[in-house]
Amino acid sequence: GAGVSQTPSNKVTEKGKYVELRCDPISGHTALYWYRQSLGQGPEFLIYFQGTGAADDSGLPNDRFFAVRPEGSVSTLKIQRTERGDSAVYLCASNLLAGGIEQFFGPGTRLTVL
Amino acid sequence: AQSVTQLGSHVSVSEGALVLLRCNYSSSVPPYLFWYVQYPNQGLQLLLKYTTGATLVKGINGFEAEFKKSETSFHLTKPSAHMSDAAEYFCAVSGSTGFQKLVFGTGTRLLVSP
Repeated sequence: GAGVSQTPSNKVTEKGKYVELRCDPISGHTALYWYRQSLGQGPEFLIYFQGTGAADDSGLPNDRFFAVRPEGSVSTLKIQRTERGDSAVYLCASNLLAGGIEQFFGPGTRLTVL
Repeated sequence: AQSVTQLGSHVSVSEGALVLLRCNYSSSVPPYLFWYVQYPNQGLQLLLKYTTGATLVKGINGFEAEFKKSETSFHLTKPSAHMSDAAEYFCAVSGSTGFQKLVFGTGTRLLVSP
C-alpha cells in the first residue's frame, strides 16, 4: 500500500492481558516512530527506530511496553499486563532518514482495556 | 526540552469567516514547526511545516502559518473557513538536527457552522 498501515484498527482486551499492535511503514522508510494519543490529548512520543534498532525509547512509560522491528520494516508494539490506563490510540509514523522531515502517520490502533 | 501550547481547545467559526488557531512553542534549539490535521477516525495529515527560510509558510487547503521567533509563535490561519475544515488541529515542534521526535500540543477542535 501507499501509506502507513496499522493492525488491528481496534483492540479490546481485559486488564492483565498481553497485546501486540502492528505497524507497516511506507516501503523504503528507514525511520519508524510510535506515539500514544490519550483521549483529549495530543500524541506523545514512545519510541523511535532507525532501521532495526531502537534509537530512542525514552518515551516508553514503563517496562511493560516493548517494541521490535526485526527486519527494519514492520514493527510490533507489545504491552504486557495491560492496565486500564493503557487505553489510548497508538499511532505509528515513518519517514526517510535522509532529509526526512515530514512524518507520515497511520490511522492508529484504538486500544481499550476493560 | 521542547513544548507546545495551543490556546483554546475549541474554536468556533462561521463558514466563510477567518480561521485563527494559536500555537506557541518553547525550544532550546532551533525548531522545526508543524501543523497536522486529524479528521475523525483518521491518521494525522501534515498541513504545513516550517524548517528554514521564509517565515510565512503556505500549506494545503488554503492554510498558512507564520513563524515569529520573537513571539515564539506559529499561528495557523485561513482566510475563509469551509465546512470541510471541521477537524482537530495539532501544532508540533521538533529539533532541527538528529532524529525528529515530534512534541505535540493538546490540539484545537475547529467547529464550522453554516
